[in-house]
Amino acid sequence: AQRVTQPEKLLSVFKGAPVELKCNYSYSGSPELFWYVQYSRQRLQLLLRHISRESIKGFTADLNKGETSFHLKKPFAQEEDSAMYYCALYGSGGSNYKLTFGKGTLLTVNP
Amino acid sequence: NAGVMQNPRHLVRRRGQEARLRCSPMKGHSHVYWYRQLPEEGLKFMVYLQKENIIDESGMPKERFSAEFPKEGPSILRIQQVVRGDSAAYFCASSSGRNTEAFFGQGTRLTVV
Repeated sequence: AQRVTQPEKLLSVFKGAPVELKCNYSYSGSPELFWYVQYSRQRLQLLLRHISRESIKGFTADLNKGETSFHLKKPFAQEEDSAMYYCALYGSGGSNYKLTFGKGTLLTVNP
Repeated sequence: NAGVMQNPRHLVRRRGQEARLRCSPMKGHSHVYWYRQLPEEGLKFMVYLQKENIIDESGMPKERFSAEFPKEGPSILRIQQVVRGDSAAYFCASSSGRNTEAFFGQGTRLTVV
């Protein structure tokens, strides 16, 4: 079974402070991991994926297979980063693939 | 490419009625996912379909809920005899296959009165 855990339902930081949104996963194979973001009243959109190893809007995430984690980090949070963030895992169920999301973390960046 | 289209955006049903939610995936996408988002909760997986096949429906309630993705036309999530607890936002996503980005629709907000 595949599972994604985001332990923090809510996270509040001040503008300019570092932010880390935690994500842990459970999966027996080799996972593909993603972070999605949902800004207020907008559709979910892909923020970044671990295979591309890129930085989007200042966010980075490193896959740590030893700790089965894929935490999302940004050194200096901005007010426009306030949104709901979902960690997602793409894994196999036999020969078929399923995208599983964590429950999400609501990030609020205060001025 | 118009993206993933869901309709209606808002749907109001009385208890006991049926709700039909439609999802047209992006052109060329044959994988569709349905998720439910309850107030103050995250996305909960409901069902994963490929053209004409249900691959994983482990997140679907055993009764009243069904989903299909016919060879032609949109994917349909059907809720029979709706109850107040079905009120939620229902999101559809599509992808072209394995390990590719899933694109989301804007969701359908179902309100049961």
